[in-house]
Amino acid sequence: DIQMTQSPSSLSASVGDRVTITCRASQSISTYLHWYQQHPGKAPKLLIYAASSLQSGVPSRFSGSGSGTEFTLTISSLQPEDFATYYCQQSYSTPYTFGQGTKLEI
Amino acid sequence: QVQLQESGPGLVKPSETLSLTCNVSGGSISSYYWSWIRQPPGKELEWIGYIYYSGSTTYNPSLKTRVTISIDTSKNQFSLNLTSLTAADTAVYYCARPDTTGWFSFESWGQGTLVTVSS
Repeated sequence: DIQMTQSPSSLSASVGDRVTITCRASQSISTYLHWYQQHPGKAPKLLIYAASSLQSGVPSRFSGSGSGTEFTLTISSLQPEDFATYYCQQSYSTPYTFGQGTKLEI
Repeated sequence: QVQLQESGPGLVKPSETLSLTCNVSGGSISSYYWSWIRQPPGKELEWIGYIYYSGSTTYNPSLKTRVTISIDTSKNQFSLNLTSLTAADTAVYYCARPDTTGWFSFESWGQGTLVTVSS
């Protein structure tokens, strides 16, 4: 199985801050990497697919980059609704696997 | 936009079998892939497996001996069966549909249903 490791596990920030979350794969996954946002008690929401493509309807303050084994999710200016947990997921090979999550707190 | 809704029991006894159904609306199930994903309380997401509309399946090897995913195109729904339950199977279970562009990101999700395994 491909292991996905996110850092940091938690992050404190303020409204208006720029934040970056990193996801590393245990082997090369090209750009088969996707990012999700999850609020407590809610289903995950797709933000970024194929490492850098913005899902329809997602604000442009979210961006993704990377290829191979290292990827980043950047939020350019945090808004109150952005405080949530973020997960990366690889779809390079089955079983598809997720990172352990990064909790973004105020 | 397709919508998904899980249904099934919220409480199941150890060693019993879990059966969940995902009802699909706003589109036909007779195309592409359909998936189950679970999340134990406070933990990360785990992909369980997927089924193609034709009926072919791929499962997570960690669950392969206990899981069956099936599809009923006449009812526009697909189902999950998980046998020999233990407390470790307590989780929120989501049905989800991957994107249709081939990247296999999960763009549509049900709201999730909490399943507790306890006597």
